[in-house]
Amino acid sequence: QVQLQESGPGLVKPSETLSLTCTVSGGSISSYYWSWIRQPPGKGLEWIGYIYYSGTTSYNPSLNSRVTISVDTSKKQLSLKLSSLTAADTALYYCARAEYSEYDFDYWGQGTLVTVSS
Amino acid sequence: DIQMTQSPSSLSASVGERVTITCRASQSITSYLNWYQQQPKKAPKLLIYAASTLQSGVPSRFSGSGSGTDFTLTISSLQPEDFATYYCQQSYASPSTFGPGTKVDIK
Repeated sequence: QVQLQESGPGLVKPSETLSLTCTVSGGSISSYYWSWIRQPPGKGLEWIGYIYYSGTTSYNPSLNSRVTISVDTSKKQLSLKLSSLTAADTALYYCARAEYSEYDFDYWGQGTLVTVSS
Repeated sequence: DIQMTQSPSSLSASVGERVTITCRASQSITSYLNWYQQQPKKAPKLLIYAASTLQSGVPSRFSGSGSGTDFTLTISSLQPEDFATYYCQQSYASPSTFGPGTKVDIK
C-alpha cells in the first residue's frame, strides 16, 4: 500500500522560507507525477505544483515565483520550498500522487499544518 | 485560470436519500473532471476521475456524469460514512483548480 508522509516545521516566521519533505513508501516514485496541494484552515484546496519523477516541474502561476519542488528518487522523497511567507500561506500542506494524468490525485499524505506567525 | 463552481454549497440529507451535487467549469474541460470526498480531519479521497470513471475501491453508489462545462456527482443511497465535503477538480489545464466544496451533513 502506497503511503505518503509529509514532514517539516509547524511554525515559520513571516518572510522566511518554508521547507517540507514528503516521503513515499510502499511503492515506486517512478512514472508518476507528484504534487503539493494546500488547504487553509476551513477553506478549499489549492494546487501548488507538481514534479514528474524525471524532474520536470509545473507550478501554479499564483505562486510561481516563490515555489520550488524537487525530487530525490534514491530517497523516494519530494520537497517543497516556498519563500517570502505571509500569514496567507498558513495552511495544511499535502503531498499527493497522480496516476492517470498529472492531476488525478489517487494517494495523499495526511497533511502537515504550517502556521506563519512571528 | 479555469474557475470551478459547485452547487449547493451545503445540503442536509437523510441516510438512504439520493443526493446530487453539481459542478460547473468556466470553460469547456471536456471530461477532465475529478470528484473527491474529504471527511473531517482527513485528506481528500479520489472518488471519480475523467468525469465518470469510478476509482478502484469506491462503492458503486457513487457515480459521475457530464462533459463540457456541467458535471454531476450522484450518491444513490446516502450512507452514514458519506457525510463529508465533496470537491470537484478540473484536470484539463494548468493550473488545476478545485471547486469550493459541497458539505453534506445529516438532516
